[in-house]
Amino acid sequence: AQRVTQPEKLLSVFKGAPVELKCNYSYSGSPELFWYVQYSRQRLQLLLRHISRESIKGFTADLNKGETSFHLKKPFAQEEDSAMYYCALGDTNAGKSTFGDGTTLTVKP
Amino acid sequence: EAGVAQSPRYKIIEKRQSVAFWCNPISGHATLYWYQQILGQGPKLLIQFQNNGVVDDSQLPKDRFSAERLKGVDSTLKIQPAKLEDSAVYLCASSPRQGGSPLHFGNGTRLTVT
Repeated sequence: AQRVTQPEKLLSVFKGAPVELKCNYSYSGSPELFWYVQYSRQRLQLLLRHISRESIKGFTADLNKGETSFHLKKPFAQEEDSAMYYCALGDTNAGKSTFGDGTTLTVKP
Repeated sequence: EAGVAQSPRYKIIEKRQSVAFWCNPISGHATLYWYQQILGQGPKLLIQFQNNGVVDDSQLPKDRFSAERLKGVDSTLKIQPAKLEDSAVYLCASSPRQGGSPLHFGNGTRLTVT
């Protein structure tokens, strides 16, 4: 069975500080990992996916198969990064995505 | 492109009543999902359609929940009768294909059962 764990419900940092949102997964196959973000009063939207290996809004995430992790990082947090972040694991065969319970990030001025 | 459309945005009903939610996915997206998101939790998959066929409904409480996607486009999710624990946000999402594609979400319907 596939499972996604986000150990931190709440994370608070000051503007300009580095931020890391943790995500660990359990999956027997070859994983597809995603980070989704939900800003206040907006819909849930894709932030980035591991196969793209790109930086979106300064965020990056590296898939570590040995540690089964996909942590989201940003070197200098901005106030507009305050949002709810969800890590998701995609099943490449069945197509469904399993979500973690999310981390609320607050960036303080 | 137009996004995933859902209605209504909010619904308040009493327990044992019935309710229906509607979803219109992004044009051309073959795969449609309904997720339930209880406060403080991540979205949980209820049902997945590929065109108008059901791919996965293993987590759908079939004694009270039903869903259909006629003609492989719009979809409706129904709850009858509702229970207090059904209070949640119901999210519809679509993707162009099955397997590994990112999901495009609607704004969701917030259901309160009193």
